Amino acid sequence: EIVLTQSPGTLSLSPGERATLSCRAGQSVSSNYLAWYQQKPGQAPRLLIYGASNRATGIPDRISGSGSGTDFTLTISRLEPEDFAVYYCQCSSSFPITFGQGTRLEIK
Amino acid sequence: EVQLVESGGGLVQPGESLRLSCAASGFTFSSYEMNWVRQAPGKGLEWLSYITSGGRSIYYADSVKGRFTISRDNAKNSLYLQMNSLRADDTAVYYCTRWPWSYRAVDVWGKGTTVTVSS
Repeated sequence: EIVLTQSPGTLSLSPGERATLSCRAGQSVSSNYLAWYQQKPGQAPRLLIYGASNRATGIPDRISGSGSGTDFTLTISRLEPEDFAVYYCQCSSSFPITFGQGTRLEIK
Repeated sequence: EVQLVESGGGLVQPGESLRLSCAASGFTFSSYEMNWVRQAPGKGLEWLSYITSGGRSIYYADSVKGRFTISRDNAKNSLYLQMNSLRADDTAVYYCTRWPWSYRAVDVWGKGTTVTVSS
């Protein structure tokens, strides 16, 4: 099982600032199998990034993904009010599919 | 509109069974792999089970292996999760999810159905 560790647990920033969220895998992962999701309270998650760096349909270009091997990053270049939520990374290179524990992005 | 609608959740006692259903619409259901994912109250996401488009390959998380069974009926555009020997730690929102092979990620989520296991 590939363990994903997200950091920080909580990130407090202001609108307009840049957010950098980290996802570290316990072993090397092909970039093809790393995804990021956003979840707001009371809602189902939404796919943001697949294949480490590919934006899903409708995702604005201020949201980007990068990384390889064991270290992956989700970057939101200029935070909008709607970006404050919980973010999860997910690895699907093998079964079981695993999720990170999440990073809460809150308004400072 | 692409849609997944779960049903079948509810309150059950420990040891009892429940069957979740997921009705798919707006896309060619038989062409997609599918998963079940759950989220316990206040917790993160947990992948439970995967099934290929034709139903021939199936995988489970260790936490539900031997107790839960995933299945699908492509003629009815439906995905199922039979849950037996339910425990308190199975209490969660259960999501039906679409898994395009080319994405290796969930691109469509249902709204979820709540399962509560309590005496």
